[in-house]
Amino acid sequence: ETGVTQTPRHLVMGMTNKKSLKCEQHLGHNAMYWYKQSAKKPLELMFVYNFKEQTENNSVPSRFSPECPNSSHLFLHLHTLQPEDSALYLCASSLPGQRSYEQYFGPGTRLTVT
Amino acid sequence: QQQVKQSPQSLIVQKGGISIINCAYENTAFDYFPWYQQFPGKGPALLIAIRPDVSEKKEGRFTISFNKSAKQFSLHIMDSQPGDSATYFCAAQNGGRRALTFGSGTRLQVQP
Repeated sequence: ETGVTQTPRHLVMGMTNKKSLKCEQHLGHNAMYWYKQSAKKPLELMFVYNFKEQTENNSVPSRFSPECPNSSHLFLHLHTLQPEDSALYLCASSLPGQRSYEQYFGPGTRLTVT
Repeated sequence: QQQVKQSPQSLIVQKGGISIINCAYENTAFDYFPWYQQFPGKGPALLIAIRPDVSEKKEGRFTISFNKSAKQFSLHIMDSQPGDSATYFCAAQNGGRRALTFGSGTRLQVQP
């Protein structure tokens, strides 16, 4: 596979469930990102990882827990979510440094919290 | 100060016409201004980008115009085609942060 892949593509979960979103990039990048895209707000940055280390947390509630075991994989662990967390969750990757504005996005996971 | 304001929210253009989308920013620390294109069911994809030391950049039918003094930049799509129908996001990056700050998006519809 090439580019950035995300699984699952669609997820429906109850407020008491625990689930995880997975992202994998095959581009040799060292920076990875989680974004939230909803109808009410533009693309919102959630987390940034650079060489497996978290470098940004954009005041995200603790019910979202990211994990980056290596430069190719990124997870978003979800627990006790709220209905307003329903959105499209996008993963992206980039080279570090000056090329980091060139971000490659996956297709996203459409999350519905019931 | 991290906000990027984008207009219009939606745009309908006839085939062959020019589509123009505008963005404005406040943070003078921004030093890259990319535009992303998103089709339904897909993630955003980089379309074209500009640095503030250049007033215009053209790639095929897509042109970014940049006005540093006004802190505004715009995307022009010449000879718009139905295949250009998508949502377009402007963005800005502060070199000290890797994260992008996105505009609210413009849904472009090109009618045949």
